[in-house]
Amino acid sequence: DTAVSQTPKYLVTQMGNDKSIKCEQNLGHDTMYWYKQDSKKFLKIMFSYNNKELIINETVPNRFSPKSPDKAHLNLHINSLELGDSAVYFCASSQDWSGNTIYFGEGSWLTVV
Amino acid sequence: SQQGEEDPQALSIQEGENATMNCSYKTSINNLQWYRQNSGRGLVHLILIRSNEREKHSGRLRVTLDTSKKSSSLLITASRAADTASYFCATDEAGSSKLVFGQGTRLTINP
Repeated sequence: DTAVSQTPKYLVTQMGNDKSIKCEQNLGHDTMYWYKQDSKKFLKIMFSYNNKELIINETVPNRFSPKSPDKAHLNLHINSLELGDSAVYFCASSQDWSGNTIYFGEGSWLTVV
Repeated sequence: SQQGEEDPQALSIQEGENATMNCSYKTSINNLQWYRQNSGRGLVHLILIRSNEREKHSGRLRVTLDTSKKSSSLLITASRAADTASYFCATDEAGSSKLVFGQGTRLTINP
């Protein structure tokens, strides 16, 4: 009965590959997010969707493409992976987009070699 | 852009002592939140304080907010080993839906 679940938890892949991280929330929330946490623990928002519509897109390379098939799912596809993409990617959700409490998944550790 | 900045970056205290972490931010906000992250896990929401509130309590946690100084503090009283984690403040800029996190304070409680 995990609230925000993302898969895979660990991903090791070579430069140039394409990979996807999936996320699902069962909280009935309208808003979902992708955050990136670097090695210095700095957490930066990448994307936010509200009811399947993109509302935040933070200067992220267009190799990163989020897809929200419905409001309970927000997947992240990354093309042509680079070494600098290595990080922990967190999916999250909130009731709506007005600054409420955010519920985070457990993270996906991406290592590009 | 980074909004909240926590201070100190790292804090190590003995079990039973109180731990105080500070957060400063740059622009007007609607509310400020504190989150905890255990090693290898996701962030967990601790407490939310609105811009018109000055102090809030939740169990052993006490949060203050000074909007004139654009700063907040998180106090954990009677610390326990299980409180060892990173603590982040997050703010939503007034007029924006974006929640921006600081870099966190790494708290270590020594038994």
